Amino acid sequence: QKEVEQDPGPLSVPEGAIVSLNCTYSNSAFQYFMWYRQYSRKGPELLMYTYSSGNKEDGRFTAQVDKSSKYISLFIRDSQPSDSATYLCAPAQGGSEKLVFGKGTKLTVNP
Amino acid sequence: SAVISQKPSRDICQRGTSLTIQCQVDSQVTMMFWYRQQPGQSLTLIATANQGSEATYESGFVIDKFPISRPNLTFSTLTVSNMSPEDSSIYLCSVEGGDLYEQYFGPGTRLTVT
Repeated sequence: QKEVEQDPGPLSVPEGAIVSLNCTYSNSAFQYFMWYRQYSRKGPELLMYTYSSGNKEDGRFTAQVDKSSKYISLFIRDSQPSDSATYLCAPAQGGSEKLVFGKGTKLTVNP
Repeated sequence: SAVISQKPSRDICQRGTSLTIQCQVDSQVTMMFWYRQQPGQSLTLIATANQGSEATYESGFVIDKFPISRPNLTFSTLTVSNMSPEDSSIYLCSVEGGDLYEQYFGPGTRLTVT
């Protein structure tokens, strides 16, 4: 079983839709959960991160972690065409700089 | 945030040859990372490079195949040696950000081996 599993999509939604992106993981030692966004032919950029279980909101984006089920989610409200990108989840252990990336989900928001 | 540049942006190479990829940062950083992003696969860490010490390689990656230099706090190189078509990939460098788990990535080097 891979450490991080992420459905690669692609996912296509109309503008204004609520988007749900998800990952599962197997390593119970993961404590920090990052979401990176990667535009085509660019390097990934950090979107947001959460520590342990719970929710974190940043504008139209909400990150959610359920450690009991080892499930990570990113919700995008009122999605915009500019949100079209690949979204990568990347959990990490506490005390380690190493990120373990999912394969990424390619999202297209259609105007 | 740090601005990272990579050279070359892309290259097409013949099998058996080597390619050195350069990574330049606009500020001094302690830790630099090299990743590989193969088509349809996860972004995978190759090695961590700290200035003044040997690079630390992840399982499945060896120094003979991917030698790394880190001569100062703003620059690093990754060499892909004795290339085969399986080495065709995007190679990215990153540096530590303001937060421990934040990394700033370069734009990547797209390598095709024929």
